[in-house]
Amino acid sequence: DQQVKQNSPSLSVQEGRISILNCDYTNSMFDYFLWYKKYPAEGPTFLISISSIKDKNEDGRFTVFLNKSAKHLSLHIVPSQPGDSAVYFCAAGGGGSNYQLIWGAGTKLIIKP
Amino acid sequence: NAGVTQTPKFQVLKTGQSMTLQCAQDMNHEYMSWYRQDPGMGLRLIHYSVGAGITDQGEVPNGYNVSRSTTEDFPLRLLSAAPSQTSVYFCASSNDPEETQYFGPGTRLLVL
Repeated sequence: DQQVKQNSPSLSVQEGRISILNCDYTNSMFDYFLWYKKYPAEGPTFLISISSIKDKNEDGRFTVFLNKSAKHLSLHIVPSQPGDSAVYFCAAGGGGSNYQLIWGAGTKLIIKP
Repeated sequence: NAGVTQTPKFQVLKTGQSMTLQCAQDMNHEYMSWYRQDPGMGLRLIHYSVGAGITDQGEVPNGYNVSRSTTEDFPLRLLSAAPSQTSVYFCASSNDPEETQYFGPGTRLLVL
């Protein structure tokens, strides 16, 4: 039973346009969410996070939106740049998960020049 | 400041062999963890540690052992390798499990 789902294995976006990556979760007890970015042959690197008490968090070109009633979060990248091409993972934690982050399967983002 | 380092980068084992994946961090982080990543799946937690001398099981602990004798090092031992353990293994560390985790570059393991 996947508690965190990223239903799009890949996404292709034109350079300069907005990239929207989606993530759904089933456990309403999660109280924080994170996005990580991963390049080939490297470990994931932290991108942005959001607490369940917020519905939006922004950091430069990256904004994460949280819709608790829909159990859905999204990552917006504006404008998209070639260096954004990577695999993006969402992860959720807290709510009795005992120090464990639960990860989605990832979405591969391809930025086309 | 090297961050999180992992050795080896790549390893081929035969079924039944044992080996230790090394992980070290120089950030004085208390929390360390081991994940495996398989195609089409997210990272799954194998074992974690909240400080020297303290370890606990994650989601997929079977076939793996860990120990934490120092703050810096958190080795992962495969007791008797099986083809199902073919995966990419990531070690991570952080000040607190609810804070940003810093990942090593990964170890790609192939079990024949």
